[in-house]
Parts: sequence; C-alpha cells; structure tokens
Amino acid sequence: DSGVTQTPKHLITATGQRVTLRCSPRSGDLSVYWYQQSLDQGLQFLIQYYNGEERAKGNILERFSAQQFPDLHSELNLSSLELGDSALYFCASSASRGGPAFFGQGTRLTVV
Amino acid sequence: AQSVSQHNHHVILSEAASLELGCNYSYGGTVNLFWYVQYPGQHLQLLLKYFSGDPLVKGIKGFEAEFIKSKFSFNLRKPSVQWSDTAEYFCAVLGGDDKIIFGKGTRLHILP
Repeated sequence: DSGVTQTPKHLITATGQRVTLRCSPRSGDLSVYWYQQSLDQGLQFLIQYYNGEERAKGNILERFSAQQFPDLHSELNLSSLELGDSALYFCASSASRGGPAFFGQGTRLTVV
Repeated sequence: AQSVSQHNHHVILSEAASLELGCNYSYGGTVNLFWYVQYPGQHLQLLLKYFSGDPLVKGIKGFEAEFIKSKFSFNLRKPSVQWSDTAEYFCAVLGGDDKIIFGKGTRLHILP
C-alpha cells in the first residue's frame, strides 16, 4: 500500500458528462501529481500541485482542471468528456517537489 | 522540449539472466532521473532516482542504474532477474521546469 488513495476505482460515464476524481496523498506529502495512462499515449503528466499551488503543467486539456485543497487532497475535474478520454488516471505524491514517489492505484475512466 | 526514449518495448529473459534496459533523454540542463516499475494490475512504484552525486544509483529489489551524462543515458540494470521481476518499467526525467516526462515503458517478461 503506497499510502496514496484514489477514488473512485472505476468510473463509467457518457460522452459530454463531467466527472471528478479524488486523490488523498500520503500523510505529510505536499506535492500531488496527476497522470493519464492510455495504450496509445503511454503515461502523460497532466499537472502538479505543491502545498495548494499549481507547480507545473503538462499535457492537460482545457476541458480538464484540478486543484489542491488546504488539507492537501486534490481533485481532477474532467468535463465535456469524449471517448478518447477513457484511460487510467493516476495520482502520485511526494514530500517535496523532486518528482513523484508514491502512486495511487488509479481511477479507470471509461467514457461510452 | 525534453523527451525520454526507451528503446526496448518488450524484453523476454530467462530467470537468472542479466538485465539492462536502455533509457536516453534529451534535455540541456540539470535533470533528475527516475525508474518506476508497474507490476501487473498494480500501481507504479519508484525503483530508484538520481538527483546528484554518485552516478551509480542503487534502488530497491537489487536494481541499479547508471547516469552517464555524456551519453544522456540512465540505463537500468540487474545482475540476475527473477520471475517476480515481470512488469513494465518506466524511465522518467524531471527537468528544470518541474515537468516530469515518462518514457513509453518497457515490458519485461521473465520465463521461469
């Protein structure tokens, strides 16, 4: 168990809908990272937060947004969903800004 | 833009064979380098990381990696693999812009 908790584990939704993925980092970790993993794109970095502030942005679509709350948990909001958004979304955390150390089990999103 | 290249997409070895997985990156500045492992059905785990100092880094489960700056490489090695090392291995680079980029991954299959 990595100590990073992601909910839900599975999500099936229709195109055009909006979903929220939640991540609780390991206790004490200030950095949260979001990744998308798909067969064709591999593992893509989406966004990183450090202690509530956006730290780095990767290949995150404008339809997607994220935030980190004062209790350090983070949410990834995906809107106007398309079939191509179907993927495994991972959250990771670390104590500092030096790269993700602990990953959650992921949320498998299926858009139908 | 930084990038990471893992040359071997699929590697098959017998138990006790030696392993070397290639990883090359392109980035002009100071980098932090990582290897992650994803066992079947599980989340990613950090194997080892290089930030500075000794270019030969030792990680968990008997893995090591060598940073060769002149070759922009960070190859992963293990002298004798076990069946339980069957997994997908990802190399990643963190550049000065705090964006972490992953390679496409190498699927390692160990024959018992």
